[in-house]
Amino acid sequence: QPVLTQPPSSSASPGDTARLTCILSSDINVGHYKIYWYQQKPGSPPRYLLYYFSDSDKGLGSGVPSRFSGSKDASANTAILLISGLQSEDEADYYCMIWPSNVLFGGGTKLTVL
Amino acid sequence: EVQLLESGGGLVQPGGSLRLSCAASGFTFSNHAMTWVRQAPGKGLEWVSAISGSGDRTYYANSVQGRFTISRDNFGKTLYLQMNSLRAEDTAIYYCAKLPGISMVVSPFDFWGQGTLVTISS
Repeated sequence: QPVLTQPPSSSASPGDTARLTCILSSDINVGHYKIYWYQQKPGSPPRYLLYYFSDSDKGLGSGVPSRFSGSKDASANTAILLISGLQSEDEADYYCMIWPSNVLFGGGTKLTVL
Repeated sequence: EVQLLESGGGLVQPGGSLRLSCAASGFTFSNHAMTWVRQAPGKGLEWVSAISGSGDRTYYANSVQGRFTISRDNFGKTLYLQMNSLRAEDTAIYYCAKLPGISMVVSPFDFWGQGTLVTISS
């Protein structure tokens, strides 16, 4: 059974670049999948941020600032969400998602902006 | 403006049934696959079910297969989730979301409703 593992929490300071990880289980190869990222603030539904497959196949959701980007670390079988120029409004939960067969979400990371 | 408005949540006893609705507006409903995603209190997201734009193809998570039925009324622009044999572990906020295209292909859930709370308890 494929699993996406996200650290429960992460923190960074305003202006920093936050690096949120999503580790894929060994039975699924990060290089084979588009990785979708969502942001959820307390009391609100998730918001689609972006997808990343490769540097030539990626895209931002509607209205999402270019401070948000994705990447992969194939050696670690890990997808990465990068948020540059961190702002207080970026404090939220972040979820990764893939479609190996059915849809699979990671457990989410709570990002605190100190 | 795209809008998705869920309704039908509430408190139900274990073993009971509930039907959720998701009223859509601001886009051509029949041109988009739709999905349900749930979130247990204080927990992460779990995909539940999806349906193609025409309604001819449906998909379910293993955890709800055989108990839940997804359907849609394209004329009335409404998505449904019929939930039977409900269990305590089905307690969650249920969100409907749209996909960019008509088919259930690998793509984002690009817009989400506000959700409706379902509580299963005796």
